[in-house]
Amino acid sequence: GQSLEQPSEVTAVEGAIVQINCTYQTSGFYGLSWYQQHDGGAPTFLSYNGLDGLEETGRFSSFLSRSKGYSYLLLKELQMKDSASYLCAVKDSNYQLIWGAGTKLIIKP
Amino acid sequence: NAGVTQTPKFQVLKTGQSMTLQCAQDMNHEYMSWYRQDPGMGLRLIHYSVGAGITDQGEVPNGYNVSRSTTEDFPLRLLSAAPSQTSVYFCASSQRTGGVFEVTQYFGPGTRLLVL
Repeated sequence: GQSLEQPSEVTAVEGAIVQINCTYQTSGFYGLSWYQQHDGGAPTFLSYNGLDGLEETGRFSSFLSRSKGYSYLLLKELQMKDSASYLCAVKDSNYQLIWGAGTKLIIKP
Repeated sequence: NAGVTQTPKFQVLKTGQSMTLQCAQDMNHEYMSWYRQDPGMGLRLIHYSVGAGITDQGEVPNGYNVSRSTTEDFPLRLLSAAPSQTSVYFCASSQRTGGVFEVTQYFGPGTRLLVL
């Protein structure tokens, strides 16, 4: 079967760095993306990794290792507005996105 | 650009009733999809469309119908509502030009549906 695993919840302190992990087992792999979703809101696109390595966009970075079926999202200089759920999604051999259940990031002052 | 719009925002139905959730996008995206999101679960694909006149089933299509008569609109029909269809429904659209463009999905604000 296909699965994406993420921790259900991560807690961090304002101004710190936090890493959110995603491991996947899918039939085919055509890229992994990360989305942010605030409570009551819609998912919004953050980053995409098609090849191994690190992609950086401002305070956010995403890493991919296809051989390990593993990705992480790194958030630096945490701000209270970063409190949200973070979803990873893999594009599979059917060219559809398979989604993880999401990681709720709690930020403490 | 309004992006992706959905109506209604909230809806309460009784078991057995039918209704249509509306979705429209003004970005000329070929790919549109419907997801449901339930607590503790990832987004699950209900139906999708790769262009006007073309639709296909996703992971959880039972109890739902779709049609795509125009590029802009992609309505989702609940045929006979059941309590198990209580969920938040998101419509999304994306380009079909490959790579990052395909995985960059734009979501509507969602419809919260309660079936009693």
